[in-house]
Amino acid sequence: AQSVAQPEDQVNVAEGNPLTVKCTYSVSGNPYLFWYVQYPNRGLQFLLKYITGDNLVKGSYGFEAEFNKSQTSFHLKKPSALVSDSALYFCAVRPTDSWGKLQFGAGTQVVVTP
Amino acid sequence: NAGVTQTPKFQVLKTGQSMTLQCAQDMNHEYMSWYRQDPGMGLRLIHYSVGAGITDQGEVPNGYNVSRSTTEDFPLRLLSAAPSQTSVYFCASSSSGLSSTDTQYFGPGTRLTVL
Repeated sequence: AQSVAQPEDQVNVAEGNPLTVKCTYSVSGNPYLFWYVQYPNRGLQFLLKYITGDNLVKGSYGFEAEFNKSQTSFHLKKPSALVSDSALYFCAVRPTDSWGKLQFGAGTQVVVTP
Repeated sequence: NAGVTQTPKFQVLKTGQSMTLQCAQDMNHEYMSWYRQDPGMGLRLIHYSVGAGITDQGEVPNGYNVSRSTTEDFPLRLLSAAPSQTSVYFCASSSSGLSSTDTQYFGPGTRLTVL
């Protein structure tokens, strides 16, 4: 069975500092990996995805994520956090043989302080 | 394009009542799905559809029904509401479930409270 773990309920970072949100996964076969962000009282917005190829994926709003197959991780990063990055972040995985069944992590609340 | 729309935004039900959450998309997407979001549990898939007339169960289907008579609409029906169904419900769509790389687009959500 597939699963996604986001080990931190909340990440606190000062504005201007690097931001990292961790994600590890377990899935049979090769995974497709996604990051979504949810702002208060809004739906989820797509940030980036890893399908194949370069392990470093660049996405929206200056975010990037690195796929590490040996560590089964897909951590989200941003070099310099903004207060407006404060939101709930979800990692999701979809096995390559799945018909669109995304498995989401529990989410990580990011709080960026001025 | 309006994208994915959901109605209502908020709803309060009494135990045992039934209701339908509406979801529509104007992107001609084949694949549509319903999730529920509960604190600390992420999003869990309730039902999904890979095209008009085709639906299937997700991770937590009990207590919910769906149908897909058109490409645009994918309503979620609660047959007899229970307090355990208090949650935020999201509808999502993507161009094709056959291609697992497709990005899913989410609606704004419906916040449901069952008393």
